[in-house]
Amino acid sequence: DAGVIQSPRHEVTEMGQEVTLRCKPISGHDYLFWYRQTMMRGLELLIYFNNNVPIDDSGMPEDRFSAKMPNASFSTLKIQPSEPRDSAVYFCASSPSPDARETQYFGPGTRLLVL
Amino acid sequence: GIQVEQSPPDLILQEGANSTLRCNFSDSVNNLQWFHQNPWGQLINLFYIPSGTKQNGRLSATTVATERYSLLYISSSQTTDSGVYFCAVLRSNDYKLSFGAGTTVTVRA
Repeated sequence: DAGVIQSPRHEVTEMGQEVTLRCKPISGHDYLFWYRQTMMRGLELLIYFNNNVPIDDSGMPEDRFSAKMPNASFSTLKIQPSEPRDSAVYFCASSPSPDARETQYFGPGTRLLVL
Repeated sequence: GIQVEQSPPDLILQEGANSTLRCNFSDSVNNLQWFHQNPWGQLINLFYIPSGTKQNGRLSATTVATERYSLLYISSSQTTDSGVYFCAVLRSNDYKLSFGAGTTVTVRA
């Protein structure tokens, strides 16, 4: 099993540009989570999906952030327009069905720097 | 939300030493995980341990759910154990893992 796959691993962009982060969960996992890690706030959940449906997006910081899961094997997190304060490491995680109250498996993360 | 406190915040060990990391949480949980974030930033699952004791090589963990704490033991530490150790918990009827601030462990040769 390849584990959770994220791309790109590193992204450097300029303020105002659109950024798209991608995630492929572990096959058969029905729950997908997007987290952000910063020095100031630590690890925090942004949004999670169950069977491709967004369940809770209360952690999404503002309207500039959006996430989609068009199918069971792919999700995107988009920031438009990006700002320097969005610089962080973004992790995607997945968990098996039927209960997310099990181990969550994390991808390697995308390190985003917005100049 | 649930509060997760980890201690100590920083730990410096000589190779071969043993150590204990602590995680306190403010509410009942039905999921508790320990993670190791290595110097390359990768989050690695160590234990899923909502209660009881588990061991994996030189690492072991104990969670006393009724007293709302968990302990992670590192024995005979090695330089590869360096990194940040996170405790994360999840309450009943909730799917949001709440992370502690982490314990930064540095193992010196």
